[in-house]
This record gives sequence, C-alpha cells and structure tokens, in this order.
Amino acid sequence: QKEVEQNSGPLSVPEGAIASLNCTYSDRGSQSFFWYRQYSGKSPELIMSIYSNGDKEDGRFTAQLNKASQYVSLLIRDSQPSDSATYLCAVMINNDMRFGAGTRLTVKP
Amino acid sequence: GAVVSQHPSRVICKSGTSVKIECRSLDFQATTMFWYRQFPKQSLMLMATSNEGSKATYEQGVEKDKFLINHASLTLSTLTVTSAHPEDSSFYICSAQVGPNTEAFFGQGTRLTVV
Repeated sequence: QKEVEQNSGPLSVPEGAIASLNCTYSDRGSQSFFWYRQYSGKSPELIMSIYSNGDKEDGRFTAQLNKASQYVSLLIRDSQPSDSATYLCAVMINNDMRFGAGTRLTVKP
Repeated sequence: GAVVSQHPSRVICKSGTSVKIECRSLDFQATTMFWYRQFPKQSLMLMATSNEGSKATYEQGVEKDKFLINHASLTLSTLTVTSAHPEDSSFYICSAQVGPNTEAFFGQGTRLTVV
C-alpha cells in the first residue's frame, strides 16, 4: 500500500462547477496534511494545510479531514480555467513530507 | 508567505562533472529542508530530509555518496550531484519547513540536464 494515494484522474470539470479531489493515507499516526497545486514545469505551491478533523475553508477552497477514515479531500468551488493544474496531497509521515501521485485537473471554459 | 529561493533554476552539465544546487529560506529559519526529485508527469519522490547541523536522512535507494546534502545553517541547504550521468537528468526541488510538521514552502526547482 502506498503511503499517500490519490484518485488517479485526470479530472475534468466545466467552469463554475465544483471539483472534488480525494486522498487517503496509510499512517494512522499522521497529524499534518497539506494540499499543493503544481502547474506544469513549476514547483508546488501551498493551497491549504489541515490538522484537525472536519472542514477548513479558505476562499473557494475547502479541505476536509477524517482521521478515522484516513481520508483528506479538497473541494474547489466555482472552478476557473486557471485552476487547471496538478493537485498534490501531502502528509507528514515520521517527520517526512510525502506526496501522492497527484490528480490532474482540467477546468473547461 | 515564506519565501524559498533555489539556484540555479536550470543547469546543463557534462557527464562526469558535479553540480551544486542551493536552497535558501529568505525570510525564515528552516528547521528542516527536504529534497525531491521529479520525473516528467510523475509525482515528487523524496530523496532526503536534512536538519541543520546534522547528517541528512536519505531515502532507501538514494545513494548518499552521489547526492551530497549539506545543511550548514538554518537558512541554507545544498545538494551536490557528484559524477553526474544522463540518468540523473531530472527536476530537483527543495522545500523548507518553519517547524516540525508544519507547512513546507518550495523553491523554484532546478532542471538538471546531463549531456
């Protein structure tokens, strides 16, 4: 089992729709979770961090964490073409930040 | 947000030579820095974790003698690819954390091409 797994994608949504990105992790002891966005040829940029169960909202982005299910998700409301990128889920495991394979999102005008 | 500067952004070197990549946290002190490697259309593969003043912890399969990591200060970590070969060509990215288990901020990445 991979330490951090994301739904394979690619994911395509129309402009204005909600994009839902999912991630599961293997280490039940993990306490810190992050979502990054990476445009082609660029390095990742932080979107959100989440440490407690429940939802955390920041603008059009909502991160959701369920430690019992070892599941973390990211919702993007009112998706824009500029949101088209690869979204990476990251989990702190034994003091190392480990990434999922990423989900490629395309928002079509 | 916190700024991490990575240099150079792009380098082409001859096979057999060594290349040094610098990663600096510009406006904060980084307790931990991470080095990743990314092949096209693939995710970030952790190479090593470095803490200031101590030896880096390498991932299984990463040759510590080939990928030398030095974390001499709280704002600077370097990765040296020694005796580079074409198969070392990749996108190398560093990130830095302010504190344990907190967000990590990424440098711009270094695209290494070994010819």
